[in-house]
Order: sequence, then C-alpha cells, then structure tokens
Amino acid sequence: GAGVSQTPSNKVTEKGKYVELRCDPISGHTALYWYRQSLGQGPEFLIYFQGTGAADDSGLPNDRFFAVRPEGSVSTLKIQRTERGDSAVYLCASSPVTGSNEQFFGPGTRLTVL
Amino acid sequence: SQKIEQNSEALNIQEGKTATLTCNYTNYSPAYLQWYRQDPGRGPVFLLLIRENEKEKRKERLKVTFDTTLKQSLFHITASQPADSATYLCALGPTGGNTGKLIFGQGTTLQVKP
Repeated sequence: GAGVSQTPSNKVTEKGKYVELRCDPISGHTALYWYRQSLGQGPEFLIYFQGTGAADDSGLPNDRFFAVRPEGSVSTLKIQRTERGDSAVYLCASSPVTGSNEQFFGPGTRLTVL
Repeated sequence: SQKIEQNSEALNIQEGKTATLTCNYTNYSPAYLQWYRQDPGRGPVFLLLIRENEKEKRKERLKVTFDTTLKQSLFHITASQPADSATYLCALGPTGGNTGKLIFGQGTTLQVKP
C-alpha cells in the first residue's frame, strides 16, 4: 500500500511570502504529526493531530505557523510571512491509533526561503 | 527542560563488526524509546521500540537496551554491512500514554566500510 506522501517535494519562496505544505497520511491512520528538520539535526516536533483536532500544538514556533486537518485525513501546514530561518525539511508522519506508536514518515518537503 | 544526546561524531567501523550507538537523556521519563534509521533525502524509518519496563529488545541483527536509571539506551548492529550505513535517530516517547509527540536526538551517522 501507499506510504505517507508530501507535496511539493521542494519549495523555494521569497521572504515574506505565504506557503502551504501538504501531507497525505496512510489510509486509516488517525494520528498525524508534523516535524521540522534542519541540517545535521533530528526532527523537531511541531504539531500532532488525533482525527481532525490538534491534540498538541506546543511545538509551533509562533503564530505564523498554522496547520489544519479538516476531514481527519489530509493535513496542510501553513506558514505566513516566511522568514529565512524557516528554511528546513518539513516532515509529516502518521500512526494508527493503537499499537506501538511507530510513526511512518513521508519523504519531507524541503522549504527554502530566499 | 528535557535533553537528549547522541554521539555527534560519525561512527566508522569495518564490515562484520558490531556497531554500538548511544542515546542519553535528562529531565524526562519516557514511557518508551524508539530508534529510527534515516537515509539522505528520506524520512526516518522505524526500527525498534523498547518500553520503560523492558531491559532489552532484539530484531534480527539489531539489539536495543534501555536503562531508565542511567537514562540511557544502547543500539547495537551485529555483523554490520555497508548497507547499514545511515544516520540513526533515537526518539523519546511521551511520559504517559501510547500516542504523542516524539523527542528526537540529533542522530549518529554510521559508516560501515567493506
């Protein structure tokens, strides 16, 4: 079956612009996570959805970052007024509600803010 | 706040030897700990999970130990192969419950030479 997919794979934008990053989780997975990874670092948690609601958004760095999951499947991470420091790989992961909490990661979206 | 550390230097070993990677953490009591493998340009891939009441877990050539007193996990790859070359990430699960965000270490890069 299909794994987690993320689009676009690469996004280059200018400082101050708005971007949307999309995540398609594995079908039937109710938990969805967003992480951000900078070069040479491990993934850093941003937000976690259980179904349609954000169960934990403590990792969002500021109010320029927002994420939605309106139907409990696809999720969109939205970044307003992008800054050069937002440049990173944004990873999405999904997990079934029961089990080991193994998280299945997508390939990531590489965001570059010029 | 919680802190998680992995060997920041790359680990270079000869094919056939056992690779041992270390993960140390402070100010935290995770319900479980996970290890992931990450190849360049790809998302992390789950390898093993060990719970706080388990001392050791094995899967094929992989072995993980978890010492909650020392706050340390060791990850071993026996009979290492060049295909094992990758970055290995340690991740702490939430304090309570099964689902929730993971806190990742920065990763250790393993290079297995033929």
